[in-house]
Amino acid sequence: EAQVTQNPRYLITVTGKKLTVTCSQNMNHEYMSWYRQDPGLGLRQIYYSMNVEVTDKGDVPEGYKVSRKEKRNFPLILESPSPNQTSLYFCASRRDRSSYNEQFFGPGTRLTVL
Amino acid sequence: AQSVTQPDIHITVSEGASLELRCNYSYGATPYLFWYVQSPGQGLQLLLKYFSGDTLVQGIKGFEAEFKRSQSSFNLRKPSVHWSDAAEYFCAVGAPSSASKIIFGSGTRLSIRP
Repeated sequence: EAQVTQNPRYLITVTGKKLTVTCSQNMNHEYMSWYRQDPGLGLRQIYYSMNVEVTDKGDVPEGYKVSRKEKRNFPLILESPSPNQTSLYFCASRRDRSSYNEQFFGPGTRLTVL
Repeated sequence: AQSVTQPDIHITVSEGASLELRCNYSYGATPYLFWYVQSPGQGLQLLLKYFSGDTLVQGIKGFEAEFKRSQSSFNLRKPSVHWSDAAEYFCAVGAPSSASKIIFGSGTRLSIRP
């Protein structure tokens, strides 16, 4: 089954404790991205990657890092989480950089930073 | 720069009634337009998309949307809603010129009255 998976689905942590949210897709997609969803703000893009070793900032990249060492994986790293990063996070992938192509979303990771 | 506005934060309709969710976009040319649905606890699923051609687009789950260039709108409609349609709906716009970026609206939450 074609899918985007994220882990963990739920995470409660404390300020400053480094964490990684994993994202993996099995569709051989070139383009992957991370979004955060906050009430009243919709989805905002954090980072995106057009292919292996090619990443770039989205609209709200502060406090986040990503890497793309393999085509299928695109982890989101919070080196020193803060309470304002409490949010619902989605990973997404599509065939290539063209927004013409359908974007597939993971189930989401709900992060709480205390 | 492209943007998208969903003026209705929350809408309640009776089961069996018709539905129209509003979406207005800002972009200098004809953008790519999308509607996504997010069921509780789930990721986003593409309902339908418009790129060019026929301005009335059919999607999954009985939804349709109409592109109106003169009004910069892409409203989502369904003739008869079912309780399972209760979800959050996001309109999104992609720019053919920049290729990769998709901007999401803030979402409209749909509740169904029995």
